[in-house]
Amino acid sequence: GAVVSQHPSWVICKSGTSVKIECRSLDFQATTMFWYRQFPKQSLMLMATSNEGSKATYEQGVEKDKFLINHASLTLSTLTVTSAHPEDSSFYICSALPGGTSTDTQYFGPGTRLTVL
Amino acid sequence: AQRVTQPEKLLSVFKGAPVELKCNYSYSGSPELFWYVQYSRQRLQLLLRHISRESIKGFTADLNKGETSFHLKKPFAQEEDSAMYYCALRGAQKLVFGQGTRLTINP
Repeated sequence: GAVVSQHPSWVICKSGTSVKIECRSLDFQATTMFWYRQFPKQSLMLMATSNEGSKATYEQGVEKDKFLINHASLTLSTLTVTSAHPEDSSFYICSALPGGTSTDTQYFGPGTRLTVL
Repeated sequence: AQRVTQPEKLLSVFKGAPVELKCNYSYSGSPELFWYVQYSRQRLQLLLRHISRESIKGFTADLNKGETSFHLKKPFAQEEDSAMYYCALRGAQKLVFGQGTRLTINP
């Protein structure tokens, strides 16, 4: 089946530093990947839609300069949290949509827990 | 705007009892509705979708456009059904999730 991985699974960083999270589709090519954010005991909130080879589309209220998204290949999208602050601490989840098929099922990664001290 | 409401954050039933997880939505266009499940320490995975009209693991869900609902049902709950369940709506090519319902099946 389609598998999506995320790296790292958890990260702790100091306030003011930048953190990069990777999302990979392991056995399929993903023309579109999505980045979600989940606060404790809350739902997944879509942050942005990432399309291979083009700029990401950010949801309203999400700072594109703070959350940099790069989708340079059909199997990799990265989310960089720049100048992280404690309020950025959250669970970040990506999902990938297989390209070139009729399916519109998104496959989710296991998530990355970010803690900013 | 797309909106999904799951009124119950927690739901607890006994093994063998019927289960119904409620989901209501708001969307001006023609919606696609999904149920996702997240078992303990596992990733989110698709359970079923209204287009398929299928039964997965004994669960079914019927889209009721008049009531704007997509409730998830199972006639006889099993302990392995304990998990977090999210209702989701796709419109304008993006998924919007409800708040989720944590289902606990008591032995």
